[in-house]
Amino acid sequence: GQNIDQPTEMTATEGAIVQINCTYQTSGFNGLFWYQQHAGEAPTFLSYNVLDGLEEKGRFSSFLSRSKGYSYLLLKELQMKDSASYLCAVLDSNYQLIWGAGTKLIIKP
Amino acid sequence: DTAVSQTPKYLVTQMGNDKSIKCEQNLGHDTMYWYKQDSKKFLKIMFSYNNKELIINETVPNRFSPKSPDKAHLNLHINSLELGDSAVYFCASSQGQGDTDTQYFGPGTRLTVL
Repeated sequence: GQNIDQPTEMTATEGAIVQINCTYQTSGFNGLFWYQQHAGEAPTFLSYNVLDGLEEKGRFSSFLSRSKGYSYLLLKELQMKDSASYLCAVLDSNYQLIWGAGTKLIIKP
Repeated sequence: DTAVSQTPKYLVTQMGNDKSIKCEQNLGHDTMYWYKQDSKKFLKIMFSYNNKELIINETVPNRFSPKSPDKAHLNLHINSLELGDSAVYFCASSQGQGDTDTQYFGPGTRLTVL
């Protein structure tokens, strides 16, 4: 079966760095997405990785290792507004998006 | 202009009723989706339409029927609503394959069945 695993919840301190991990087992791979979802709002696109390595975009970076079926989202200089759920999703061989259950990130002052 | 819009934003109704949720995208995308997000916040794909053709239909009760009058619209009709249908329903759209499969979500419709 297809499976995406992420921690259910994480807590971090304002100004710190946090890494949210995602492991996946899917039938084929055509890329991995990270989305951010604030409570009561729609998910919004953060990043897309299809090749191994690190993609940096401002305070957010996303890493992919296809051989390990692993990705992480790195958030630096955490701000209170970063409190949200972070969803990992993998595009499988049929170009269907398989979603993880999301990681709720709580930022404390 | 809003890229993906849904109406209504909130819907409260009695069990057994029939209701519809509308979705429109002005991005010129070929594919549209309906998701259900339950109280545990897990996004579950319900339907996917590509150029008005259904390409995914997960294990969704046939009380739910997507209707796409054109590729910019994908409406969701629900018959005989049940308590368990209470959730947030998100519409989304994407252009094609690979990185263009980035999905853009509507604001969601919070459905409450009493």
